[in-house]
Amino acid sequence: QKEVEQNSGPLSVPEGAIASLNCTYSDRGSQSFFWYRQYSGKSPELIMSIYSNGDKEDGRFTAQLNKASQYVSLLIRDSQPSDSATYLCAVNNAGNMLTFGGGTRLMVKP
Amino acid sequence: SAVISQKPSRDICQRGTSLTIQCQVDSQVTMMFWYRQQPGQSLTLIATANQGSEATYESGFVIDKFPISRPNLTFSTLTVSNMSPEDSSIYLCSVDQRTDTQYFGPGTRLTVL
Repeated sequence: QKEVEQNSGPLSVPEGAIASLNCTYSDRGSQSFFWYRQYSGKSPELIMSIYSNGDKEDGRFTAQLNKASQYVSLLIRDSQPSDSATYLCAVNNAGNMLTFGGGTRLMVKP
Repeated sequence: SAVISQKPSRDICQRGTSLTIQCQVDSQVTMMFWYRQQPGQSLTLIATANQGSEATYESGFVIDKFPISRPNLTFSTLTVSNMSPEDSSIYLCSVDQRTDTQYFGPGTRLTVL
C-alpha cells in the first residue's frame, strides 16, 4: 500500500510568519511530488511541483524534497489570512496516478 | 493549463437513483481521472478514463457502480449508480496533458437522501 502521510492540523500561524507543512511518503520509487491548495468548498488548485532533491521557490512558496528521507515540505513565507486552506501533498507513483495525503489545514490569524 | 468544467455543480438525489456527471475540457488531453472526496477526507482515485476503451478502476471501485465513458479526448462522464447516502461526496475530474501534472475541475457536490 503506497501511503502519503500529513499531519491533519490545524496548523495555526500568525500573519507574516512562515508556515511549514510536511509530508512523508512510503514508495521510494516515487518521482514527482505536488502541493495542492484547497479552499473550503472548492476543488484542489496546484501550487507547486518538485522533482529533484533540494529546494524550489515560487514567490512566497518553497517546496523542499529529500528523497533519501522520503520527505517533502512546503514553506509559505509572509503568511496571509488568504493562505488559510487545506494543503494536500500528492505523490506520483506510476502511470501518472497521484496518491494524496490527508491534507493539513492551515489557519493564518491576523 | 486546460479549462475544465463539470456539470452539474451540485445535486440532491434520492437513494436508488443514478446521476451522471459530465467533465468537459477546452483542449485535447491524454489522460482524465475521476476522484471522490468524502466529507472531511482527502481525494481517492476512482478510475482512469481511457479514450476509446474501458476505464481502469482502482481497488474498491467497480464498473457496475461507477460506469465511465470517454468518447473523445475532451469529454468524459461518470455515473453514480443505485445511490445510497454513503455516496454523498464531491466528485472531481482531473486531466493530465502529458506534463505529469494533474489539474482539477470545479467538482460536483452530491447529496443522497
